[in-house]
Amino acid sequence: GAVVSQHPSWVICKSGTSVKIECRSLDFQATTMFWYRQFPKQSLMLMATSNEGSKATYEQGVEKDKFLINHASLTLSTLTVTSAHPEDSSFYICSASPSGVDTQYFGPGTRLTVL
Amino acid sequence: KQEVTQIPAALSVPEGENLVLNCSFTDSAIYNLQWFRQDPGKGLTSLLLIQSSQREQTSGRLNASLDKSSGRSTLYIAASQPGDSATYLCAVSNQAGTALIFGKGTTLSVSS
Repeated sequence: GAVVSQHPSWVICKSGTSVKIECRSLDFQATTMFWYRQFPKQSLMLMATSNEGSKATYEQGVEKDKFLINHASLTLSTLTVTSAHPEDSSFYICSASPSGVDTQYFGPGTRLTVL
Repeated sequence: KQEVTQIPAALSVPEGENLVLNCSFTDSAIYNLQWFRQDPGKGLTSLLLIQSSQREQTSGRLNASLDKSSGRSTLYIAASQPGDSATYLCAVSNQAGTALIFGKGTTLSVSS
């Protein structure tokens, strides 16, 4: 099956700093990737839709200036959490689908802890 | 707005039991439905995908059914094993190529 990777798998940072998370489709191209966030004991919630070569589409309540998304190529999308605060601590997961395939493939997730 | 609910939230069973996990969704106009497995602190593993025109899908000891008109899906696990212990997530897609809407999951514990 298709493989999606994320880097880093976990990161700890100080409050006020910025953190970049990468999502890569390893063996397929993806014009669209999705970024989700999962708080403890909660479900995955869509944050934004990343579109290659254009601006991301953010869900209601997600600050686009705080969560910067760049989809510079067909295999890479990045999520940058700017000026991170403890309430941003969460599990961030990306997903993508090969063209013409309905199944979404998820990355292994990135655990962000903001001190 | 589509909402997905999973019942029960947690389930504990002895090894060997057959079990059923339930998923319901409020808007029956779905494109497809997926069942995922998530181990603690890990990402998601896709188990089964059911297209809106299908009634069920099977993979090994897993069988997922879909009743689109009533907004329900079930995941049947036969002869459960301790290795099946994980959180099982149900998710629907309303259109092709769109993001998934997830339930909160059912956390399954199978004791040996």
